[in-house]
Amino acid sequence: DTGVSQDPRHKITKRGQNVTFRCDPISEHNRLYWYRQTLGQGPEFLTYFQNEAQLEKSRLLSDRFSAERPKGSFSTLEIQRTEQGDSAMYLCASSSPVWDREGEKLFFGSGTQLSVL
Amino acid sequence: AQTVTQSQPEMSVQEAETVTLSCTYDTSENNYYLFWYKQPPSRQMILVIRQEAYKQQNATENRFSVNFQKAAKSFSLKISDSQLGDTAMYFCAFTGGSQGNLIFGKGTKLSVKP
Repeated sequence: DTGVSQDPRHKITKRGQNVTFRCDPISEHNRLYWYRQTLGQGPEFLTYFQNEAQLEKSRLLSDRFSAERPKGSFSTLEIQRTEQGDSAMYLCASSSPVWDREGEKLFFGSGTQLSVL
Repeated sequence: AQTVTQSQPEMSVQEAETVTLSCTYDTSENNYYLFWYKQPPSRQMILVIRQEAYKQQNATENRFSVNFQKAAKSFSLKISDSQLGDTAMYFCAFTGGSQGNLIFGKGTKLSVKP
């Protein structure tokens, strides 16, 4: 396994369009996270899955955002009716089960850079 | 609320020298983890080092070590024998819950000069 992979690496879209990003976590990791990072800032938490269950959502995740992890493996993050303020790097991370000795370590993908024109 | 503060937006160091990056945090929890992540220009977040709050011994990973002061809620990163490849953004991060959600500081941009 080569780590967390995200697709696409870059996405340019026009305001008002819908976009979808995909994240494939490390195979044995049951926990998956989405973060958003704007230029010059640290990543900000968006949402968290344990297996297929979405257990936590940040107030940053407006109703235009939806995330799924239908079979507890890969996840998708969709943004509807994109706005210029959505331009950011969207990072996915995964971690092993909470009972694992190193379950608190998050492993990040390379991110999807979204530019909304 | 849990917060992480990095008070140094930018720092620079000469190659082979030592540099220390500062981080303070605020939490009411007793059991938690602290991390330093590195983000080079490629923007891949890479775990540098972690510290478990219940351990008094400071974590070390090769040239990287931390100074963890639990009472002061301080968690600084020391990089010894700095290398050009250490040039990156460094983020301090905290997690206190079983869900593992990380709270990040705003980062310190480190430049290693030849």
